[in-house]
Amino acid sequence: ETGVTQSPTHLIKTRGQQVTLRCSSQSGHNTVSWYQQALGQGPQFIFQYYREEENGRGNFPPRFSGLQFPNYSSELNVNALELDDSALYLCASSTRTGANGELFFGEGSRLTVL
Amino acid sequence: QKEVEQDPGPLSVPEGAIVSLNCTYSNSAFQYFMWYRQYSRKGPELLMYTYSSGNKEDGRFTAQVDKSSKYISLFIRDSQPSDSATYLCAMSVNSGYSTLTFGKGTMLLVSP
Repeated sequence: ETGVTQSPTHLIKTRGQQVTLRCSSQSGHNTVSWYQQALGQGPQFIFQYYREEENGRGNFPPRFSGLQFPNYSSELNVNALELDDSALYLCASSTRTGANGELFFGEGSRLTVL
Repeated sequence: QKEVEQDPGPLSVPEGAIVSLNCTYSNSAFQYFMWYRQYSRKGPELLMYTYSSGNKEDGRFTAQVDKSSKYISLFIRDSQPSDSATYLCAMSVNSGYSTLTFGKGTMLLVSP
């Protein structure tokens, strides 16, 4: 059973550029959530995808968007990057049924915006 | 006022000490309470999960929830250097773990 994998692990962008981060969910998981973790802060919920549709969104502007694919993998897209977007972006997968619905986190993609 | 408050530390203790980590929260609708451990450059991993008030024990770890005081705790007995990590409290309103509100995390350092 493979865990949650994210790519790329590190990347550097400049203000105004666009970025796409990718996530492969754990085998058997159909729900993907994305979190942003700024340095020294706890993760903040961005949005969740279930069955290829957005199923909940946190307090993030529309330039943060996502996709979920039929194989349950997911992408996070951020347009018009700002310096404050520099953070660790965490993907977490889970099931909607089952005993706990525990979130399994990947190791994250660290984005630096210059 | 943030929804979840957590002292960022660092908290330094000698090996074998009992560690107490705490969070307070303001949203009385939270019903599900979790503790995650995050090692440097890694994603968070779930340590403890508690529904509503009460205690839960798992090995060296004990989680306590006091909803009347809006206060949760994690106790680590016989702390080990391998426990050195950032501990994040998290909570949610609805069942399951999907939409979590996290604290800032407390950095714990256990010295041999």
